[in-house]
Amino acid sequence: DVVMTQSPLSLPVTLGQPASISCISTQSLVNSDGNTYLHWFQQRPGQSPRRLIYQVSKRESGVPDRFSGSGSGTDFTLIISRVEAEDVGVYHCMQGTHWPYTFGQGTKLEIK
Amino acid sequence: QVQLQESGPGLVKPSETLSLTCTVSGASISSSYWSWIRQPPGKGLEYIGHIHNSGSTSSNPSLKSRVTISLDTSKSQISLKLSTVTAADTAVYYCARRGGADVWGQGTTVTVS
Repeated sequence: DVVMTQSPLSLPVTLGQPASISCISTQSLVNSDGNTYLHWFQQRPGQSPRRLIYQVSKRESGVPDRFSGSGSGTDFTLIISRVEAEDVGVYHCMQGTHWPYTFGQGTKLEIK
Repeated sequence: QVQLQESGPGLVKPSETLSLTCTVSGASISSSYWSWIRQPPGKGLEYIGHIHNSGSTSSNPSLKSRVTISLDTSKSQISLKLSTVTAADTAVYYCARRGGADVWGQGTTVTVS
């Protein structure tokens, strides 16, 4: 299985400051169709996950533009340009290229 | 908008079969494919499997042959059956749309005890 490694696992951030989460896969996530199926999810406390970013860098409708995704191959990053209080929660990366699809361990973002 | 709602018993005895249902509203169940994902307490997410609108399924090899996923288009429902459960199957179970999980249900907690 493709292992997805996120870092850091805990991310204390001051309000208004940027935050960055890394996700590294053990295999390239470029699919045979040329697309890269790397997605990012936000899970607020007590809620189900919500997809923020799909295919590396495409933002879901309604997601604030302070969230952005980048990367290629095996190395991917989620960046929050200015953290707000509502961003507290756990962030998960997921690969949908290789079966079985797999998730990272999750990164818990908290406010300092 | 598309909404998913999981339902099923919250408590299952070891060695028995866990049975859950996901009811879809706001979209035709025949228009997409549907996934099951779970999250054990305090742990990360695990992709269980999915079913295409054609009825073909894929399930995570880690669950071996214990998983059955099916569609009931007349009721707009997707079902999950997981046989021979153990305490390790205790988790919040989510259904989601597509393999990329662009829409999730609110999840249902299942305890094996």
